[in-house]
Amino acid sequence: GAGVSQSPRYKVAKRGQDVALRCDPISGHVSLFWYQQALGQGPEFLTYFQNEAQLDKSGLPSDRFFAERPEGSVSTLKIQRTQQEDSAVYLCASSLRSGRSTGELFFGEGSRLTVL
Amino acid sequence: AQSVAQPEDQVNVAEGNPLTVKCTYSVSGNPYLFWYVQYPNRGLQFLLKYITGDNLVKGSYGFEAEFNKSQTSFHLKKPSALVSDSALYFCAVSADNYGQNFVFGPGTRLSVLP
Repeated sequence: GAGVSQSPRYKVAKRGQDVALRCDPISGHVSLFWYQQALGQGPEFLTYFQNEAQLDKSGLPSDRFFAERPEGSVSTLKIQRTQQEDSAVYLCASSLRSGRSTGELFFGEGSRLTVL
Repeated sequence: AQSVAQPEDQVNVAEGNPLTVKCTYSVSGNPYLFWYVQYPNRGLQFLLKYITGDNLVKGSYGFEAEFNKSQTSFHLKKPSALVSDSALYFCAVSADNYGQNFVFGPGTRLSVLP
């Protein structure tokens, strides 16, 4: 497809379960971002990749959160031992080059995680 | 630390009237400023950006924004609102000394009434 694709779109997990969220960025996009968007709030930065290198993971809220992009394209955000406070929409965005230099991030529709 | 404020949770405007969605920011260093729009059940879409140059920038769908350094503001404007402009609008900021992170504001819901 032409846009950023995220799966699953909706995920319900029981507290303590592990979840994996997938992001397929636009082909050729170097930069990839993960954001967390709680209900009624703006997106909060989680982590940033340039190709396969994770250059910034300062936004990951705990060591239960892990992200990877092993071949510089598809990325997976993994959350271990999910807690209720992890319930949010997880947004993936990609950019052709450095996101800031172009200013334009292309966002997927998000994965809505609900932890019961 | 960088921050973005959008002082209005909700803005209501009649169709055909001008609209303004406010944004103020705080950064150390030169700011890079952006507006994104989010329609229901859709991803965020880029509207416009200010990097350098003219303080008035024009973007998609007839929107424009004015960078005001002294007031640290970047308000979004449109001369004549359409019902289809109703959506959630996010202001975002980045800076040279803040890696690649974009900091988003909390969002403003715009409702254009027919």
